[in-house]
Amino acid sequence: DIQMTQSPSSLSASVGDRVTITCRASQSINTYLNWYQQKPGKAPKLLMYGASSLQSGVPSRFSGSGSGTDFTLTISSLQPEDFATYYCQQTYNHPTYSFGQGTKLEI
Amino acid sequence: EVQLVESGGGLVKPGGSLRLSCAASGFTFSDYGMNWVRQAPGKGLAWVSSITTSSGYIYYADSVKGRFTISRDNAKNSLYLQMNSLRAADTAVYYCARVRVGSSGWPYFDFWGQGSLVTVSS
Repeated sequence: DIQMTQSPSSLSASVGDRVTITCRASQSINTYLNWYQQKPGKAPKLLMYGASSLQSGVPSRFSGSGSGTDFTLTISSLQPEDFATYYCQQTYNHPTYSFGQGTKLEI
Repeated sequence: EVQLVESGGGLVKPGGSLRLSCAASGFTFSDYGMNWVRQAPGKGLAWVSSITTSSGYIYYADSVKGRFTISRDNAKNSLYLQMNSLRAADTAVYYCARVRVGSSGWPYFDFWGQGSLVTVSS
């Protein structure tokens, strides 16, 4: 199985900050990497797919990069609604699409 | 508007059974593979099971293999998860999620239901 490791596990930031979250795969996954945002009590929401493709309707302050084993999600200027938990997911190893453990972004 | 609405969760004793349903609307259900993903209280996301459009291929996480059964009824636009021999470790919010494949072949879960809580406790 492919293990996904996110860092940091939690992060404190302020409105307007630039924030980067990292996701590392235990083996190469090409660009089969997705990012989700989850707010308390809500379902996850897709932000990015294919490592760097922005899902329709997601603000352009979100961006993703990486390939192989190392990936990043960047929020260019944090907004109040961005404080949430973020998960990466690999979809290279069909069908066991494993998730990272999550990064909680706090004020 | 795409909607996925889960139902059927609740409190069940260890060893018991429960059937979750996911009602889909706003899209052609039979055109999409579907998944179940769960989240234990205070924990991260874990993929549980997936089913292809015509139920030709079905997959399970090792943790539920032999106990859970995924199925779908395209005529009723519905996805199901039959859960047997439930354990305390199965306690979680269960989400159904639609899978889409990008232009370069990347699968991703583009729509999720609101979740259904399953609590396994005596």
